Amino acid sequence: KAGVTQTPRYLIKTRGQQVTLSCSPISGHRSVSWYQQTPGQGLQFLFEYFSETQRNKGNFPGRFSGRQFSNSRSEMNVSTLELGDSALYLCASSEARRSNTEAFFGQGTRLTVV
Amino acid sequence: AQKVTQAQTEISVVEKEDVTLDCVYETRDTTYYLFWYKQPPSGELVFLIRRNSFDEQNEISGRYSWNFQKSTSSFNFTITASQVVDSAVYFCALSEEETSYDKVIFGPGTSLSVIP
Repeated sequence: KAGVTQTPRYLIKTRGQQVTLSCSPISGHRSVSWYQQTPGQGLQFLFEYFSETQRNKGNFPGRFSGRQFSNSRSEMNVSTLELGDSALYLCASSEARRSNTEAFFGQGTRLTVV
Repeated sequence: AQKVTQAQTEISVVEKEDVTLDCVYETRDTTYYLFWYKQPPSGELVFLIRRNSFDEQNEISGRYSWNFQKSTSSFNFTITASQVVDSAVYFCALSEEETSYDKVIFGPGTSLSVIP
């Protein structure tokens, strides 16, 4: 079956703009998590959605938001972009919370803010 | 507070050598999960193993083995007879039952280079 799909793969935006990233989980997976990866901060948890509800949120400002649709696809939005938002954004899906299955990651969206 | 430390930033080994990647974690929970992920240059994280805090048995999967020791809060990963394809960044990670299984805290990663 198809893996986790993130679109777009690469994105260049200007400071102050906003951006929306998309994640299509593996079919049947209901949990989607988002992570930001930067050379300085490493991999940091952004938020997690399950059945269209945000279950957990990391320590990021309110400019970072997300949502999940009824088909489990998820989007994350970053408003008023800053240079420091340049990062690889990774999405992971899993069958359910607290399950015995592992999370599967997409290849990420590399966002560059100029 | 939860924390994962991977003291080795970069490791280089010659092909066929064994290599151990260290991971030390901190948590106040009695129930937690530990993970190892591999990140090849393509970017996606590849799941390698998940261990819960009540299972201290060591595990071997092919050339990979893991040593979980609660007494020292360590979850080390050994690759035997390394190959060039093992070159990647490896992340150790932790999630706590009390906060959320799905909020995974990653270590800083260890970049492994296997030289032919």
